[in-house]
Amino acid sequence: NAGVTQTPKFQVLKTGQSMTLQCAQDMNHNSMYWYRQDPGMGLRLIYYSASEGTTDKGEVPNGYNVSRLNKREFSLRLESAAPSQTSVYFCASTRGQGSTEAFFGQGTRLTVV
Amino acid sequence: QQQVKQSPQSLIVQKGGISIINCAYENTAFDYFPWYQQFPGKGPALLIAIRPDVSEKKEGRFTISFNKSAKQFSLHIMDSQPGDSATYFCAASSRDNYGQNFVFGPGTRLSVLP
Repeated sequence: NAGVTQTPKFQVLKTGQSMTLQCAQDMNHNSMYWYRQDPGMGLRLIYYSASEGTTDKGEVPNGYNVSRLNKREFSLRLESAAPSQTSVYFCASTRGQGSTEAFFGQGTRLTVV
Repeated sequence: QQQVKQSPQSLIVQKGGISIINCAYENTAFDYFPWYQQFPGKGPALLIAIRPDVSEKKEGRFTISFNKSAKQFSLHIMDSQPGDSATYFCAASSRDNYGQNFVFGPGTRLSVLP
């Protein structure tokens, strides 16, 4: 079972470049999330999609955009990367309202130089 | 207040010892408290969770203790093993948006020495 799949696993960008992080889940989950993980700060929510066709800002949305392409896929876009966006990014999913377990992908380690 | 505080930042325990990680929250609307375990290079995975209607939940060597009046909860790992070496995150969420607004603690890096 694949679960939540993220691509790429590693990426190095130059300041000002753009890129899209891809996420897909095969569990028929309704809700999907993007988090960033920084040392000593835990996981912080960037954006989430409660259901197909909806997206909402989380705690740290500045500098990011998202697209819920369909029920399976939720992408995160950096339009103009900054060194402050160097982080490990995790995609997660849950069945939806009332569900409690979040399933995480393996992460994308992004370095902006 | 949405913050979840977690301590210690790092913990070193001998094999067979007890590992204890503590968390505290402020938002009384929180009513679901999971612990996630993360190994290097992997995403977090649910380890154990508790709701505030009970004071303790045990699953194998892992126990959550919950103190609603103090707004604190802790993870106890009995008979700690080298394979338990990982980063542990506590989290909290509220009934209004289950699965949509987990607030995570900063994490505890546990090392269990053989």
